[in-house]
Amino acid sequence: GENVEQHPSTLSVQEGDSAVIKCTYSDSASNYFPWYKQELGKRPQLIIDIRSNVGEKKDQRIAVTLNKTAKHFSLHITETQPEDSAVYFCAASKGGNKLTFGTGTQLKVEL
Amino acid sequence: EAGVVQSPRYKIIEKKQPVAFWCNPISGHNTLYWYLQNLGQGPELLIRYENEEAVDDSQLPKDRFSAERLKGVDSTLKIQPAELGDSAVYLCASSMGQGDGEQFFGPGTRLTVL
Repeated sequence: GENVEQHPSTLSVQEGDSAVIKCTYSDSASNYFPWYKQELGKRPQLIIDIRSNVGEKKDQRIAVTLNKTAKHFSLHITETQPEDSAVYFCAASKGGNKLTFGTGTQLKVEL
Repeated sequence: EAGVVQSPRYKIIEKKQPVAFWCNPISGHNTLYWYLQNLGQGPELLIRYENEEAVDDSQLPKDRFSAERLKGVDSTLKIQPAELGDSAVYLCASSMGQGDGEQFFGPGTRLTVL
């Protein structure tokens, strides 16, 4: 089955700096890659997703890049703010919305 | 519009006792998922329903776990008997259609087995 690895497990940045979280996947048939944000004690919420027919997608301060050859994808957050502090999960699916999640990255944005 | 609703939010039981979790998906969402989330880990799929049919239950420990989705709307996940290792957050999610797209998660049920 699919295996998704996520790094780093914790990330601390200063407010205003950029944050990058990286994921690798094992199944070359995977074609859908969402990112979920989970604040402490809250439900996971989708923040951005990308499909295998594009290499990059942006939404305001958030961007995701995909390298199908290397089987890795990354989340980029620019101009980080304290409210960006949360756990971020990457995931991969090869259809049918069967997601395999990474182990999460605890992002802390310090003032 | 209400999101995915789950109850109870918290449950504490003794080991070997039964427990049940309930989920009401977003109206119109045909696909429903139950996930297990251990502390510090990502959600792991237990079972996925398309309407009332369980289309993927390969990760569900069938010796003690069972689930149903009567009439293709609400769903119940049951554990009987519960073990210490079942302590976790049980998340329900729903989505429209069968293709890949946003899954909307409920707040989860935090289960503690003593």
